[in-house]
Amino acid sequence: GAVVSQHPSRVICKSGTSVKIECRSLDFQATTMFWYRQFPKQSLMLMATSNEGSKATYEQGVEKDKFLINHASLTLSTLTVTSAHPEDSSFYICSARQAGGPDTQYFGPGTRLTVL
Amino acid sequence: KQEVTQIPAALSVPEGENLVLNCSFTDSAIYNLQWFRQDHGKGLTSLLLIQSSQREQTSGRLNASLDKSSGRSTLYIAASQPGDSATYLCAAPPQGGSEKLVFGKGTKLTVNP
Repeated sequence: GAVVSQHPSRVICKSGTSVKIECRSLDFQATTMFWYRQFPKQSLMLMATSNEGSKATYEQGVEKDKFLINHASLTLSTLTVTSAHPEDSSFYICSARQAGGPDTQYFGPGTRLTVL
Repeated sequence: KQEVTQIPAALSVPEGENLVLNCSFTDSAIYNLQWFRQDHGKGLTSLLLIQSSQREQTSGRLNASLDKSSGRSTLYIAASQPGDSATYLCAAPPQGGSEKLVFGKGTKLTVNP
């Protein structure tokens, strides 16, 4: 149980295009989902907290107009990287907390974004 | 501001050895602390979650301890196997927070057959 999926697993795009990444909780409802970014040999950095039915809360230094987050249902959150640039190339990972469940966050397999 | 540090950054051991990974955090008023495993280029797998009221948690060959007063946690792996090779991350909530997680940079473990 408690499986989180991400799609796509890998995406390569041209500079200036927008990319949407989906995060789904497959067998549980998640009122809260988190989006992280991980650069090579670096730790995971929290980008934003996504709550179902409300606006996401962004961490300091993360541009909300560039990284659009939508949490339209209890099982789906999407991250859209708008007008992507090479410096946005990174590993994006989402996690989800089970509604009414333990504090454990369940992580997706990640999405490798490469912007040419 | 919560800061999480992991030492060593990398560790290479022969198969069968017992080992300890270290994690330290600056804000001792944490709700819990988690240990994760990350395989190369993959997502994270939760290994152990220790609540602030607990001193340790065990799962199979893994044992995690928590000492809030000293701001330290350790992950003990018994009888290591090549399949244990991965990066191990510890994470704790930020100062005053409970849902979010602040991650260390991880310890990359290699178990040689």
